[in-house]
Amino acid sequence: GEDVEQSLFLSVREGDSSVINCTYTDSSSTYLYWYKQEPGAGLQLLTYIFSNMDMKQDQRLTVLLNKKDKHLSLRIADTQTGDSAIYFCAESYNAGNMLTFGGGTRLMVKP
Amino acid sequence: EAQVTQNPRYLITVTGKKLTVTCSQNMNHEYMSWYRQDPGLGLRQIYYSMNVEVTDKGDVPEGYKVSRKEKRNFPLILESPSPNQTSLYFCASSFTADSGEQYFGPGTRLTVT
Repeated sequence: GEDVEQSLFLSVREGDSSVINCTYTDSSSTYLYWYKQEPGAGLQLLTYIFSNMDMKQDQRLTVLLNKKDKHLSLRIADTQTGDSAIYFCAESYNAGNMLTFGGGTRLMVKP
Repeated sequence: EAQVTQNPRYLITVTGKKLTVTCSQNMNHEYMSWYRQDPGLGLRQIYYSMNVEVTDKGDVPEGYKVSRKEKRNFPLILESPSPNQTSLYFCASSFTADSGEQYFGPGTRLTVT
């Protein structure tokens, strides 16, 4: 079955760039997502990328997709303390919209 | 305000006592879904619904039921809760099954003793 994996933890200093990585196994994934979960809150969609794209940029966020290696990354430029949260990578097929999530990466931003 | 709401937000109950967690969305979304979130396991899909009266099992449906009698509501029913259903539950919705974006509710933390 499909599997999505992420590292558990990342610590960066305020102002640095953060790079959160994700690998997935299902080559038929059509959509790949990044969600943010702040303490006590639900999941907030940050961005998503179609599988026929290599890169997507949205303000401080850059998503890179290496479809050959099934590797997805989220880069946060100029990381702020408000970026501290758990970040989930997810993928889905074209139909049915069943999302498969990774275990989440906890980002800690030190002042 | 467009949103997905869940109730209750927190619930402590005992083994075997039937409970329902409600989910409602005001965006006229066709697709709705329930997930549970557990440490080290991430989010796993329980059930989903493509439209009214259309529901299907996700990855971990055992011990749960759902219904979709109206477009806006998608309740999650635990007929006989057990301690292994202690978890954080999220409801989500999107316009269609193929749309790229799901909106999540705030979560329901359930403890079964």
